[in-house]
Amino acid sequence: EVQLVQSGAEVKKPGQSLKISCQVSGYNFTNTWIGWVRQMPGKGLEWMGIIHPGDSDSRYSPSFQGQVTISADKSINTAYFHWTTLKASDTAIYYCARAGSLEADYFDYWGQGTLVTVSS
Amino acid sequence: QSVLTQPPSVSGAPGQRVTISCAGSSSNIGAGYGVHWYQQFPGTAPKLLIFTNAKRPSGVPDRFSGSKSGTSASLAITGLQAEDEADYFCQSYDITLGDVFGTGTKVTVV
Repeated sequence: EVQLVQSGAEVKKPGQSLKISCQVSGYNFTNTWIGWVRQMPGKGLEWMGIIHPGDSDSRYSPSFQGQVTISADKSINTAYFHWTTLKASDTAIYYCARAGSLEADYFDYWGQGTLVTVSS
Repeated sequence: QSVLTQPPSVSGAPGQRVTISCAGSSSNIGAGYGVHWYQQFPGTAPKLLIFTNAKRPSGVPDRFSGSKSGTSASLAITGLQAEDEADYFCQSYDITLGDVFGTGTKVTVV
């Protein structure tokens, strides 16, 4: 059974750093793109970026390029999403999701989401 | 604001057919990129409903169908049921922006 299990909710202050995780099981982590999607409170979905754990090749949405970092650790089947400097506007639910095709054009399995709250 | 525009809401009575549009442009849907659809219930993660315009993942009822024509795509729900009340999002690829989601549509069963 394919599963993506994300780390728990976080409460941070502006300016702090944060790394959230997504541990997968039930499929070959190394061979499949995995991505991150943001959902701000009461809003829609935003495609942020993806990574291929096999070679760490990554792609980012222009809206998020340079502001966040996606990484992966093949040894523990885990993908990460990292901020160096959080802002209040980063408050949202963040989902990891597995790409359903080699072209990584859609997501077929999703994690449960990690709520990140940034407030002073 | 997304480059893929959906109606904010659609509603229908049980048993009716409703359609959700996803309007794009020659830079995304019209350029030949596939359209995918997701269903999301409040407080839960999205679920893949339709991929590559019209394909259904295993386990998705055939009441859900997708189509694409020109610069737009549609998701149809036939035999609407109370359990279909949720938010629906389309997704495609844009030449300039990369992968993008639609603005989202709330389906209400009246």
